[in-house]
Amino acid sequence: SQQGEEDPQALSIQEGENATMNCSYKTSINNLQWYRQNSGRGLVHLILIRSNEREKHSGRLRVTLDTSKKSSSLLITASRAADTASYFCATAFYNQGGKLIFGQGTELSVKP
Amino acid sequence: NAGVMQNPRHLVRRRGQEARLRCSPMKGHSHVYWYRQLPEEGLKFMVYLQKENIIDESGMPKERFSAEFPKEGPSILRIQQVVRGDSAAYFCASSPLIEQGASGYTFGSGTRLTVV
Repeated sequence: SQQGEEDPQALSIQEGENATMNCSYKTSINNLQWYRQNSGRGLVHLILIRSNEREKHSGRLRVTLDTSKKSSSLLITASRAADTASYFCATAFYNQGGKLIFGQGTELSVKP
Repeated sequence: NAGVMQNPRHLVRRRGQEARLRCSPMKGHSHVYWYRQLPEEGLKFMVYLQKENIIDESGMPKERFSAEFPKEGPSILRIQQVVRGDSAAYFCASSPLIEQGASGYTFGSGTRLTVV
């Protein structure tokens, strides 16, 4: 299976703390994307990192990519209660027509 | 730009009935992807369509499921003779012709299908 795996499955932290989620995948990729899903809602694209990039920032988000280990991490700094959601990594593969393969997700709970 | 529009938001069907899920991509987007999400799981790819063409249906169940994206109108995901196991959230995403797969997708809010 090409599907990625994420850990932890669930993460509970206090407001103001940092949250780190990890994603691993199995084959060569074109890019890796992170999405957020609030309960009962659709997915919102957060950030994309290409296979030739190692790190990317967007506001309080920092994503790293290690293609040698086939892994990525998403760091949310100074978390807020509004960051409570499920976070999914998704990989896009060469010659796969742009379809995404999603991980199982990390459920983040930020307590005020 | 209204984004990706899916309807209905919620759909209840009895076993054996047909379910029709609709997706209108973002303006200017000619690629549509359908995904299914079972409770407590990530999204699973089902099918990728361009206008009047099915490009990749490797994730579609072999029976009862079909999809289309006509020249005019929304993309339709059709499930015939629904069973309880079809209960899930179905999401549609769209992307423009260029940089397909090279930028983040815009997802609709999904259709939650419940089979009773």
